Amino acid sequence: DTAVSQTPKYLVTQMGNDKSIKCEQNLGHDTMYWYKQDSKKFLKIMFSYNNKELIINETVPNRFSPKSPDKAHLNLHINSLELGDSAVYFCASSPPGSSYNEQFFGPGTRLTVL
Amino acid sequence: AQSVAQPEDQVNVAEGNPLTVKCTYSVSGNPYLFWYVQYPNRGLQFLLKYITGDNLVKGSYGFEAEFNKSQTSFHLKKPSALVSDSALYFCAVSSFYNFNKFYFGSGTKLNVKP
Repeated sequence: DTAVSQTPKYLVTQMGNDKSIKCEQNLGHDTMYWYKQDSKKFLKIMFSYNNKELIINETVPNRFSPKSPDKAHLNLHINSLELGDSAVYFCASSPPGSSYNEQFFGPGTRLTVL
Repeated sequence: AQSVAQPEDQVNVAEGNPLTVKCTYSVSGNPYLFWYVQYPNRGLQFLLKYITGDNLVKGSYGFEAEFNKSQTSFHLKKPSALVSDSALYFCAVSSFYNFNKFYFGSGTKLNVKP
């Protein structure tokens, strides 16, 4: 069973479109994250939710909007896609006491904006 | 400011030789330190962590890391490298004062040659 899953795995779209990436974890974790990994492999946190509540919102454009319908799901919706949004987006989760617990990462969604 | 530095973009080592991947950090309060490995087209996988206690921590696949408070370092080591260890390695730091927020290094590509 996949612990943290993301769909789709690949996403190719045109500039200006709106798209969503879905994430689900079956580990019973309270905390979920979205990270962006750029072409140089630099990994940066975007958002973190704890029990459906937003607790970290980094300097991310308003075009990015996370939604957590329940603590097992954290989806990422992106409006008006731009070329610079092309990256690999990773979802992750961790158990309570998140600062000292390891995170479990999904396989990633490679977004390409043309 | 909180940060993690991995000074080497790439480390090359021959199979059977010891390997070291370097990491230094800057964080408020006591650090929680992590190492993750990323294989091509995959999400990050947890290797090991230091929270408190013994400065030498052992993790998956024979890896270990040593926490050095005076040098603010947490270098990853393995006594005998395998070709299958070739991957991208990330150091990450968090702390009690940075609830849920992790800072990742820029990654070090480890190449183990037969």
